Amino acid sequence: DGGITQSPKYLFRKEGQNVTLSCEQNLNHDAMYWYRQDPGQGLRLIYYSQIVNDFQKGDIAEGYSVSREKKESFPLTVTSAQKNPTAFYLCASSGRQGVDGYTFGSGTRLTVV
Amino acid sequence: QQQVKQSPQSLIVQKGGISIINCAYENTAFDYFPWYQQFPGKGPALLIAIRPDVSEKKEGRFTISFNKSAKQFSLHIMDSQPGDSATYFCAALIAGGGNKLTFGTGTQLKVEL
Repeated sequence: DGGITQSPKYLFRKEGQNVTLSCEQNLNHDAMYWYRQDPGQGLRLIYYSQIVNDFQKGDIAEGYSVSREKKESFPLTVTSAQKNPTAFYLCASSGRQGVDGYTFGSGTRLTVV
Repeated sequence: QQQVKQSPQSLIVQKGGISIINCAYENTAFDYFPWYQQFPGKGPALLIAIRPDVSEKKEGRFTISFNKSAKQFSLHIMDSQPGDSATYFCAALIAGGGNKLTFGTGTQLKVEL
């Protein structure tokens, strides 16, 4: 079945640690996105990539980094510079124009301990 | 800044009633308006979408009404059911403009028996 797989489902991070969230898609989509979801704030765009080896900052990129070495994969690293990383992180993908809709993964819930 | 304003933040409807969620946008360059449905602990899923060249689109019990002059669009859920209880997000996109979806802040719908 085609879709997006995010792992892990739950992740705990200690203060000062970097952690990497995985996102893999087998939809042959060109574009991939990372969103952060906090209660009452909707979905905010962190980074997006329209083609391999290229990506752009979204609205809240500070403290995050990404790579796009393969079309299928778009991992997100939450660095120690992100002061408030506890949130629900969602990865999505779309066709080149985006108007066929985004397909979202099931999310990763990150908690700082 | 591109914004999509969504209301209400939460909504309680009796089973069989009509649920109405409203969104307003500012950027007239938006040309694709999807609605997403999200259940707890899951990623959002595309529910229904509309282009600005039509004023209404219906799929089953779900209808989007679009008012281009007022820059507003709304989701109507007819014969609301307890299984419709979820968070609903409106969104907007400029096709070819980076394909970035701008999301509303979400409406938490609860359908009571």
